[in-house]
Amino acid sequence: AQKITQTQPGMFVQEKEAVTLDCTYDTSDPSYGLFWYKQPSSGEMIFLIYQGSYDQQNATEGRYSLNFQKARKSANLVISASQLGDSAMYFCAMRRPGGTSYGKLTFGQGTILTVHP
Amino acid sequence: GAGVSQSPSNKVTEKGKDVELRCDPISGHTALYWYRQSLGQGLEFLIYFQGNSAPDKSGLPSDRFSAERTGGSVSTLTIQRTQQEDSAVYLCASSPPGTVTYEQYFGPGTRLTVT
Repeated sequence: AQKITQTQPGMFVQEKEAVTLDCTYDTSDPSYGLFWYKQPSSGEMIFLIYQGSYDQQNATEGRYSLNFQKARKSANLVISASQLGDSAMYFCAMRRPGGTSYGKLTFGQGTILTVHP
Repeated sequence: GAGVSQSPSNKVTEKGKDVELRCDPISGHTALYWYRQSLGQGLEFLIYFQGNSAPDKSGLPSDRFSAERTGGSVSTLTIQRTQQEDSAVYLCASSPPGTVTYEQYFGPGTRLTVT
């Protein structure tokens, strides 16, 4: 079974500072995908970044980067130069590797990020 | 282009009534997913449709829940004899074919309240 753990219920960061949101995962499958989603107060889930288990380099998308440490089974999200609009709930998720449930996502509990001016 | 749309945005129903929730995926997306988000359980997978393949129903919590996808596009999630524990936000997502990442694009959700 797959499991995603986000140990930080809430995080605070000053505007323009960088922040790291933690995510650890547990799977016995050699092939998997890891995602981060943002959920603002409006409720819609917004895809941020993806990391494949065989990707050699850490994924980056603008101000978002994923610190992927495969041996430690961690996939932390780093947001650089935080903005007030980054205040939201952030979810880490894992995709099953194959079979009929290829796209199914397992989510962590989420971390609420608050950016202070 | 248009994103994933869901209707209604809010639904209040009495315990024991049946409800139908609708999802319109992004045009051309072959995969469609339903998830449920509640305070106690977080985000849970419910069901997954991929093209013409048999759906993965492994996340449906009971036989009161069912879903169908007509014509490979619109999907309806039906909850029969609703219970208070069914109160949650029901999220629909779709993903395009032929991608490596299979990222999912989510709709705004339907907030279901069972009184």
